[in-house]
Amino acid sequence: AQKVTQAQTEISVVEKEDVTLDCVYETRDTTYYLFWYKQPPSGELVFLIRRNSFDEQNEISGRYSWNFQKSTSSFNFTITASQVVDSAVYFCALSDRFQGAQKLVFGQGTRLTINP
Amino acid sequence: EPEVTQTPSHQVTQMGQEVILRCVPISNHLYFYWYRQILGQKVEFLVSFYNNEISEKSEIFDDQFSVERPDGSNFTLKIRSTKLEDSAMYFCASSELPDSSPYGYTFGSGTRLTVV
Repeated sequence: AQKVTQAQTEISVVEKEDVTLDCVYETRDTTYYLFWYKQPPSGELVFLIRRNSFDEQNEISGRYSWNFQKSTSSFNFTITASQVVDSAVYFCALSDRFQGAQKLVFGQGTRLTINP
Repeated sequence: EPEVTQTPSHQVTQMGQEVILRCVPISNHLYFYWYRQILGQKVEFLVSFYNNEISEKSEIFDDQFSVERPDGSNFTLKIRSTKLEDSAMYFCASSELPDSSPYGYTFGSGTRLTVV
């Protein structure tokens, strides 16, 4: 069975600090995808990234970076120089479907508050 | 940027009534999904749909639920006889072929269903 654990329920930091959101996953499959989504207070789910299990390269997009480590089954997300607009709930998700429809299994989410 | 459109944004219904939630997926996407999020909880998969049939469904998706793609653009979720515990945010999503690059798995902004 698949499972995603986001152990940090809430994180609060001051603007401009760096913050890392942890994600640990479980799957019996060797091929899978990992996702991160942002849910701002308005409620929609905003796609941030998808990474496949063959690609362990770290990814950077502006102030966002992702660290994928298969050895520890983790896919952590770091925001550098955080801003108030980064305040949201962040979800990590897993899909073990390498073909066809991608059923996503979500973690419980981490509520990130950036204080001015 | 293409988006998934959901209507209505908020629906209030009496227990036992039927509701239909509507979605217009992104036009070149092939896979369609419904998820739900009970307030303050994680996002849960309900069903995936491809080529005019259900490809996978969760235990939540019992006989009270059905999905349909009545024409070339709409994708609907029907709940036949609503219960109080069906109160949640319902998200529609659509996605491309898994090997598409860049890859999109886009959620709509959700329909908040309140059963009274």
